[in-house]
Amino acid sequence: QVQLVQSGAEVKKPGASVKVSCKASGYPFASYTMHWVHQARGQGLEWMGWINAGNGNTKYSQKFQGRVTITRDTSANTAYMELSSLRSEDTAVYYCARENVDGYGYYFDYWGQGTLVTVSS
Amino acid sequence: DIQVTQSPSSLSASVGDTVTITCRTSQSISNYLNWYQQKPGKAPNLLIYAASSLQTGVPSRFSGSGSGTDFTLTISSLQPEDFTTYYCQQSYSTPWTFGQGTKVEVK
Repeated sequence: QVQLVQSGAEVKKPGASVKVSCKASGYPFASYTMHWVHQARGQGLEWMGWINAGNGNTKYSQKFQGRVTITRDTSANTAYMELSSLRSEDTAVYYCARENVDGYGYYFDYWGQGTLVTVSS
Repeated sequence: DIQVTQSPSSLSASVGDTVTITCRTSQSISNYLNWYQQKPGKAPNLLIYAASSLQTGVPSRFSGSGSGTDFTLTISSLQPEDFTTYYCQQSYSTPWTFGQGTKVEVK
């Protein structure tokens, strides 16, 4: 069965960077695109960017452009999201989500369990 | 960017009621609209994709409709486990944007 397992919670100081991992299993990792979604406490969902796990191409939200880097390791079936220059507003849960595509549309059919990143001095 | 306006932000209902949540997009997105349910402390769960296709394993009391700029999610015969938060999302173009969410509460 498809599973996306994310790394554990992190506490970081302002200005630092954080790297969250998302290990996929149960499907051909390189055949799908992985997205990252941000959710501040009590707030809605915000798309951050995606990576084509096959060719490594990426696209980022303008809001996070310049601070976010999404990478993947196909040998480890793992995607990574690194966010730099952290500020208190980056305190949130970060999710990875697999994009599925069929003749009808594009959608997130599987999600990781989420990783809480807390930015605090 | 495509703006997604979801309404209402919250609603109160009782078990057995039928509720409707709407999403309107700032430009036509054909049927590239998905609906997710999110329970507290959990990741979102796909309910409906491509506006009206029911995800495998999702109860048939959930249904979606619409195309272009106006979409609805209908939950028929609300069950106790349905009292939570719902989001719509457009996947027509990046950035993939979400609605602000609708919290379905017990009346």
